Amino acid sequence: DAGVIQSPRHEVTEMGQEVTLRCKPISGHNSLFWYRQTMMRGLELLIYFNNNVPIDDSGMPEDRFSAKMPNASFSTLKIQPSEPRDSAVYFCASSPGLAGGHEQYFGPGTRLTVT
Amino acid sequence: GIQVEQSPPDLILQEGANSTLRCNFSDSVNNLQWFHQNPWGQLINLFYIPSGTKQNGRLSATTVATERYSLLYISSSQTTDSGVYFCAVRTQGGSEKLVFGKGMKLTVNP
Repeated sequence: DAGVIQSPRHEVTEMGQEVTLRCKPISGHNSLFWYRQTMMRGLELLIYFNNNVPIDDSGMPEDRFSAKMPNASFSTLKIQPSEPRDSAVYFCASSPGLAGGHEQYFGPGTRLTVT
Repeated sequence: GIQVEQSPPDLILQEGANSTLRCNFSDSVNNLQWFHQNPWGQLINLFYIPSGTKQNGRLSATTVATERYSLLYISSSQTTDSGVYFCAVRTQGGSEKLVFGKGMKLTVNP
């Protein structure tokens, strides 16, 4: 299995621009998670989906952030407009299901720099 | 929410030494994972261990769920073990999200 795939791996953009991060979960996994890692706050969940439906988006910092999962094999995290404080590493993870005991597998991350 | 504390925060070892990393958590959990974040930033799954003991080569882990802690043992450390080790938990009956500790930075010198 190819594991969780994320693109791009690195993104540098100017403040005010739209940024779209992409994720392909492991085939057959029903749950997908978006996490963000910063020096100040560590690793924290932004949003997660089960069977393509958003379940908990309480970690999304503000309305500039949105996430979609149009099908079982693809998800996007969009920031519009981007700000320098959004600079972070964004990880996507997937797990087989929501039975509560399933291991999460992380993608390689997207390192976002907003200047 | 649940609190996850890792100790020690940093550790420097000589190659070949053994180490023990500890993770304490403040509530009952049904998912506990140990990760290694390598110098390239990738999060590598080490163990999925909500309870009991597991071993994988030079690494082993034990979780005592009733006492709310987990231990990660690294034996005969190698320079490639360097990086940051994270403990992450999911609470019983709570959100599916993993709550991460702040991590422990391990440096193994040759």
